[in-house]
Amino acid sequence: GAVVSQHPSRVICKSGTSVKIECRSLDFQATTMFWYRQFPKKSLMLMATSNEGSKATYEQGVEKDKFLINHASLTLSTLTVTSAHPEDSSFYICSARVRRTRDYNEQFFGPGTRLTVL
Amino acid sequence: DAKTTQPTSMDCAEGRAANLPCNHSTISGNEYVYWYRQIHSQGPQYIIHGLKNNETNEMASLIITEDRKSSTLILPHATLRDTAVYYCIVRFLIGNQFYFGTGTSLTVIP
Repeated sequence: GAVVSQHPSRVICKSGTSVKIECRSLDFQATTMFWYRQFPKKSLMLMATSNEGSKATYEQGVEKDKFLINHASLTLSTLTVTSAHPEDSSFYICSARVRRTRDYNEQFFGPGTRLTVL
Repeated sequence: DAKTTQPTSMDCAEGRAANLPCNHSTISGNEYVYWYRQIHSQGPQYIIHGLKNNETNEMASLIITEDRKSSTLILPHATLRDTAVYYCIVRFLIGNQFYFGTGTSLTVIP
């Protein structure tokens, strides 16, 4: 299967600072990537769909200005949590979609980034 | 919106088969059933997917009922490393997003 990496794997920051998380597809090109967040003992919640070269599509209830997404290349999408607060502490996971055929695509998930805001 | 219902948790003895059920009564004709699992503090891992026929791979088997309203993931010989949260998801094959439900927390007991 294809490999998706995230950097950093873990980050601790002070309240009010901004944090950038990178998601890379290592051995394939991904025109579409997705960002999820997961609170302890909860399921993954889709935050946004990131399309290369265009604006991200956010799920209802997700603040666009709070969670900035940039998908500048076919192998890299970034999520920036702006002015982070303790309630933004969470596990952030990205996934990348690869189209195998006209009728079939697969999705691969990154290992996640643990964000702790003090 | 998650369109599946799964039991919250299950236990399974090591070496025995783990059978994880999933209800998807509103599944449409072109939607596939996908299974992923998530080991603690890791990203989800793909297991298997199917439309209406039973499927098997090196990890698991997927049994889908004839009316497609439910399915069962079978881990034939569960090991301790299979302890994880298992998610059943329905989606079009060429679909975009995955919407995760609550999943089943499987604990394999020595």
